[in-house]
Amino acid sequence: EAGVAQSPRYKIIEKRQSVAFWCNPISGHATLYWYQQILGQGPKLLIQFQNNGVVDDSQLPKDRFSAERLKGVDSTLKIQPAKLEDSAVYLCASSLEIPSESYEQYFGPGTRLTVT
Amino acid sequence: AQRVTQPEKLLSVFKGAPVELKCNYSYSGSPELFWYVQYSRQRLQLLLRHISRESIKGFTADLNKGETSFHLKKPFAQEEDSAMYYCALETGANNLFFGTGTRLTVIP
Repeated sequence: EAGVAQSPRYKIIEKRQSVAFWCNPISGHATLYWYQQILGQGPKLLIQFQNNGVVDDSQLPKDRFSAERLKGVDSTLKIQPAKLEDSAVYLCASSLEIPSESYEQYFGPGTRLTVT
Repeated sequence: AQRVTQPEKLLSVFKGAPVELKCNYSYSGSPELFWYVQYSRQRLQLLLRHISRESIKGFTADLNKGETSFHLKKPFAQEEDSAMYYCALETGANNLFFGTGTRLTVIP
C-alpha cells in the first residue's frame, strides 16, 4: 500500500512569511497527526484529527498555526506568520481509527522548514 | 505531566556486542510504551510495542513499572541496526509523547 505522502519536502522562507504543508494519509486511515520535530528533539504532537474533527490540538500554537482536514482525508498545516523558532521538520502520520487494537502510526517523509 | 527520558544521545557498540538503549518514563496513568526507529534516509517507523510482547529484528523491550523503564535490548548488534531510536509513551487517544532519541552506531 502507498505510504503517507507529504509536500513540499523542503521549504525556506523568511520570518513573518506564511507557509503551508500538505499531507495525504494512507487510504482508510481515519486518524491523522501533525508533529513538529526540532533538531535534536523527538517529534512533538501539534494536532490530531479523527476524520475531519479535531481530537487534540492542545500543543498547537493557535496564534500562528492552523490546520484543517476537509472531507476527512487530506490535511494542510499552515503557519502565519512564521518565526525563526518554527524551523523544524513537520511530520504527518496516520493510523487506523481509534479505538483500535493497532496503535501503530505510519509516518510520512516530513517537510523540512527553514525560517531565515 | 508525562516525561520520557532517553539519557544517551549517542551510543556506539561493536558488531556482535550486546546493546541496550535506555528509556525511563513518568506518567500518572497506565503506560503504553513503544520504540520507533528511523534508519538513514527512511521514515520513522514502529519497531515494537510493549503490549504485543514481540521480538522484532532481534530486539526486545520489557516494561518495568517498578523502575518506570522500557529499555530496548539486543544480544548481538548488527551493522544494519545503526539508526535513530525513539522511545514513546501513549498518553491517551493514541497520542504519542516521544523522548529525545538515541543515535545507535554499530561499529563493524
